[in-house]
Amino acid sequence: DVVMTQSPLSLPVTLGQPASISCRSSQSLINSDGSTYLHWFQQRPGQSPRRLIYRVSNRDSGVPDRFSGSGSGTDFTLRISRVEAQDVGIYYCMQGTHWPYTFGQGTKLEIE
Amino acid sequence: EVRLAEFGGGLVQPGGSLRLSCSASGFPFSSNAMHWVRQASGEGLEYVSAISSNGANTYYPDSVKGRFTISRDNSKNTLYLQMNSLTPDDTGVYYCGRGRSSPDYWGQGTLVTVSS
Repeated sequence: DVVMTQSPLSLPVTLGQPASISCRSSQSLINSDGSTYLHWFQQRPGQSPRRLIYRVSNRDSGVPDRFSGSGSGTDFTLRISRVEAQDVGIYYCMQGTHWPYTFGQGTKLEIE
Repeated sequence: EVRLAEFGGGLVQPGGSLRLSCSASGFPFSSNAMHWVRQASGEGLEYVSAISSNGANTYYPDSVKGRFTISRDNSKNTLYLQMNSLTPDDTGVYYCGRGRSSPDYWGQGTLVTVSS
């Protein structure tokens, strides 16, 4: 199975400051169709997960442009340009290229 | 509005069975692949199963292969997960989701507890 490794696992951030989460895969996520199926999810406390970013860098509908995704191959990053209080939660990367699809361990973002 | 609602969770003894349902509305169900993802309490997310839009293709990780069966009834806009030979490791919240390579919409989840 493809192992997804996130860092850091805990991310204390001051309101209004930027935040960055890294996600590395144990093998390339470039699919045979040329697409890279790396996605990012947010899970606020007590809520279901919500997809933020699909295929590396595409924001889902309703996701603020403070969130951005980048990367290629095996190395990916989620960035939040200015953290707001509502961003508190756990962030997961997920690969949808190789079955079984797998998630990273999650990064807990909290406000300092 | 896309809505997904899971049903069927509950308390079951080790070795027992449970059938989860996911009722979908607000989108063309028969045109969408669907997923089941679970989450143990305080833990991360784990893929349980996926199924193609017409039900012809199904996918399972080794952890549930041979014990879980995903299916769908496109005439009823409903996704199912039949879970057999349950163990305490199967305890968690089970979410259904819509999408091809990842769920873009998720239900609220249903809790499955496997315990004697």
